[in-house]
Amino acid sequence: QVQLVESGGGVVQPGGSLRLSCAASGFTFSSYGIHWVRQAPGKGLEWVAFIRYDGSEEYYADSVKGRFTISRDNSKNMVYLQMNSLRPDDTSVCYCARDGGWALPAYYMDVWGKGTTVTVSS
Amino acid sequence: DIQLTQSPSFLSASVGDRVTLACRASQGISNYLAWYQQKPGEAPKLLIYSASTLQIGVPSRFSGSGSGTEFTLTISSLQPEDFATYYCQQFKISPLTFGGGTKVEIK
Repeated sequence: QVQLVESGGGVVQPGGSLRLSCAASGFTFSSYGIHWVRQAPGKGLEWVAFIRYDGSEEYYADSVKGRFTISRDNSKNMVYLQMNSLRPDDTSVCYCARDGGWALPAYYMDVWGKGTTVTVSS
Repeated sequence: DIQLTQSPSFLSASVGDRVTLACRASQGISNYLAWYQQKPGEAPKLLIYSASTLQIGVPSRFSGSGSGTEFTLTISSLQPEDFATYYCQQFKISPLTFGGGTKVEIK
């Protein structure tokens, strides 16, 4: 079945780095864009980043621009989120989610992973 | 950035009730709006996209309407599994933004 599985979360000190991974299966991965969306404890959803199906374009929220980098490896059905210069307010559950559009982005999310927890604390 | 304001923030209802949730955009977004359901400890689930298109597999008691700046999500007969938090999301203009959510609880 269509599935996304995140990994790589953990506890990191302020200023540190983490690399999240998202493993996709059950669909033609190379035909879909992928989003990262996060949720701080007890808060709502915040879109973080998007990468097109072929990796040709990336978009970021202002809150992470210059600190986070999204990338993908279509040969491995994987998407990554490199998170640098982490701050306490980056503490969240991070979800990867499939874009609802086939090849042409739709910019809503039709399949979600279960999430991985990032905690930034000294 | 486009702000999405959801109302009410909290709603108490009974099984079988018809409930309507609202989402207002700070500027016109045509029909570029999606609705998600999230239960505690779970990932969000897509219910509706393009304001009124039901995602495959979502029960027909869910419906969406609206265009421009005013949108609604209606549950025609609330079921026990519908108690959750609902979020709207606009996909007209980057950055993509979500509303603050409406929590639907059992009366």
